[in-house]
Amino acid sequence: KQEVTQIPAALSVPEGENLVLNCSFTDSAIYNLQWFRQDPGKGLTSLLLIQSSQREQTSGRLNASLDKSSGRSTLYIAASQPGDSATYLCAVRRAGGAQKLVFGQGTRLTINP
Amino acid sequence: SQTIHQWPATLVQPVGSPLSLECTVEGTSNPNLYWYRQAAGRGLQLLFYSVGIGQISSEVPQNLSASRPQDRQFILSSKKLLLSDSGFYLCAWGKGANTEAFFGQGTRLTVV
Repeated sequence: KQEVTQIPAALSVPEGENLVLNCSFTDSAIYNLQWFRQDPGKGLTSLLLIQSSQREQTSGRLNASLDKSSGRSTLYIAASQPGDSATYLCAVRRAGGAQKLVFGQGTRLTINP
Repeated sequence: SQTIHQWPATLVQPVGSPLSLECTVEGTSNPNLYWYRQAAGRGLQLLFYSVGIGQISSEVPQNLSASRPQDRQFILSSKKLLLSDSGFYLCAWGKGANTEAFFGQGTRLTVV
């Protein structure tokens, strides 16, 4: 059974810092890994999709890496801003079956002005 | 461009009442459709998924059911709500294993 863990559960940093969010998964048989952002009371916004054959993906100030063999991904946020405050979720799409996403519990990020 | 709509945004229902949540996708055809529930402290749990009209698979036994009467319409229902059905319900769509999943804005259901 695929399990996804995100550490830390919460993180508070001052504005301008670079930061790393961690995601680990137990089964390396995945199609891809997706990072999402969720604002309070809102749906999920897709940030980055990284395929199992890829090592990293970049979008603006965001960079996601994937090490499938070790079951780890990181989301790097450069020059953090107060608007980056949200909960960040990672999800792996398992191979076969419903191709469903299995989510971690998320990291609640607060950027202090 | 593709968009996904969910409604209503919030809903307060008494125990024992019926439920119908609707999700529609625009700008694509034959999407895979998903219903997730997000409960406090428990993360997102997949409830149902559908790969085509009339094709529904359930991930967990529960008081809810799903239907897909049209290609881009996905409905979550219950005949009699329980207190434990309270939560944040999210609809999602995707085109296949190697593509992004996109989520709606969710429905906050409170059963009282």
